[in-house]
Amino acid sequence: NAGVTQTPKFQVLKTGQSMTLQCAQDMNHEYMSWYRQDPGMGLRLIHYSVGAGITDQGEVPNGYNVSRSTTEDFPLRLLSAAPSQTSVYFCASSSTYGYTFGSGTRLTVV
Amino acid sequence: GQQVMQIPQYQHVQEGEDFTTYCNSSTTLSNIQWYKQRPGGHPVFLIQLVKSGEVKKQKRLTFQFGEAKKNSSLHITATQTTDVGTYFCAGPEEGFQKLVFGTGTRLLVSP
Repeated sequence: NAGVTQTPKFQVLKTGQSMTLQCAQDMNHEYMSWYRQDPGMGLRLIHYSVGAGITDQGEVPNGYNVSRSTTEDFPLRLLSAAPSQTSVYFCASSSTYGYTFGSGTRLTVV
Repeated sequence: GQQVMQIPQYQHVQEGEDFTTYCNSSTTLSNIQWYKQRPGGHPVFLIQLVKSGEVKKQKRLTFQFGEAKKNSSLHITATQTTDVGTYFCAGPEEGFQKLVFGTGTRLLVSP
């Protein structure tokens, strides 16, 4: 059982570039979410999904898009990268008892 | 919106000393969850408390949920260097699964 898999682990982008952070889970969880973690800011919710075809915004959604075409996959798209999006991104999935997090993507925008 | 605060933000202890972190929510919670994040790692689920006044133990870790279900604590007895990391509490907003995470307490343990 792989749990939650995130790719890539590290990425450097130039300002204005776009990219997709991949997230896949093999636990058949309906609920998935994306968080960003910045020093001293804890975990802030970007977008979440309660099932295939359903997504909603979290606390800090600007500059990010998501889609949920399958139960397993929940990609996060950066539309036009900005230095303020330099962060560590975590994907998580959940049943009714706790979140399982991926190992994270460390993104630097220069 | 719902806010979850933790104190202290940071604590440095000597190995063998006890440690406690406190979590306070602006709203009543249906449950409280605790996570541990090792340096450079990802958050890992530790436990969930549901009942008012509930106390659960995991070896040297004791978790408590307040009577009003708005606060919680994590106590570590006789810390070890393996306890190093950041401890987060989290409570659900708008139902069970959308979690709001606390600000976290970073624990450093010196041998």
